[in-house]
Amino acid sequence: KAGVTQTPRYLIKTRGQQVTLSCSPISGHRSVSWYQQTPGQGLQFLFEYFSETQRNKGNFPGRFSGRQFSNSRSEMNVSTLELGDSALYLCASSRLDGGLSTEAFFGQGTRLTVV
Amino acid sequence: KQEVTQIPAALSVPEGENLVLNCSFTDSAIYNLQWFRQDPGKGLTSLLLIQSSQREQTSGRLNASLDKSSGRSTLYIAASQPGDSATYLCAVKVLTGGGNKLTFGTGTQLKVEL
Repeated sequence: KAGVTQTPRYLIKTRGQQVTLSCSPISGHRSVSWYQQTPGQGLQFLFEYFSETQRNKGNFPGRFSGRQFSNSRSEMNVSTLELGDSALYLCASSRLDGGLSTEAFFGQGTRLTVV
Repeated sequence: KQEVTQIPAALSVPEGENLVLNCSFTDSAIYNLQWFRQDPGKGLTSLLLIQSSQREQTSGRLNASLDKSSGRSTLYIAASQPGDSATYLCAVKVLTGGGNKLTFGTGTQLKVEL
């Protein structure tokens, strides 16, 4: 059974550019969440998608956005990149049980470096 | 606001030792609690999931307990091995609005020495 797949694994971007990260969840999992991990702030929740709808959003600026497709694959976009956006971006997928997501499985992450 | 704390921040033990990692959370209204390990530069590997109605879960040499009323969980690792060296994270799942999210602790960095 394939795990959560994130692409690309590494990215280097320049300040002001935008970037799109992709996440393919485990087959049958319809809930996808995104997290940002930095040495200073640890792991912070970005947003959660289910059935192509954003159900929940963390405390991040509007430059961070996402979407989910009908096959449950998800993308997140960061516009006007800042140096502080350099981080490991992690995607997690879960199946739902009574509308609530169960065990979360994470991908290997995308390491974004903004220069 | 839910806050999750892990103590100690770092731990170094000799191989073969049994050890306990601690996790505490401020709001007992959680849906479940999950323990993960993270190797440097890698993603998170799920170790154990404890539902809010459960007291403990076991997988091999790992045992996790949950005391929701006191806001505490422990991860017990028996007979530690060098391959157990990693950062261990606990996360609580809380219900927010129409969805849910994981709130993570800052982790315990474990080193098991030969």
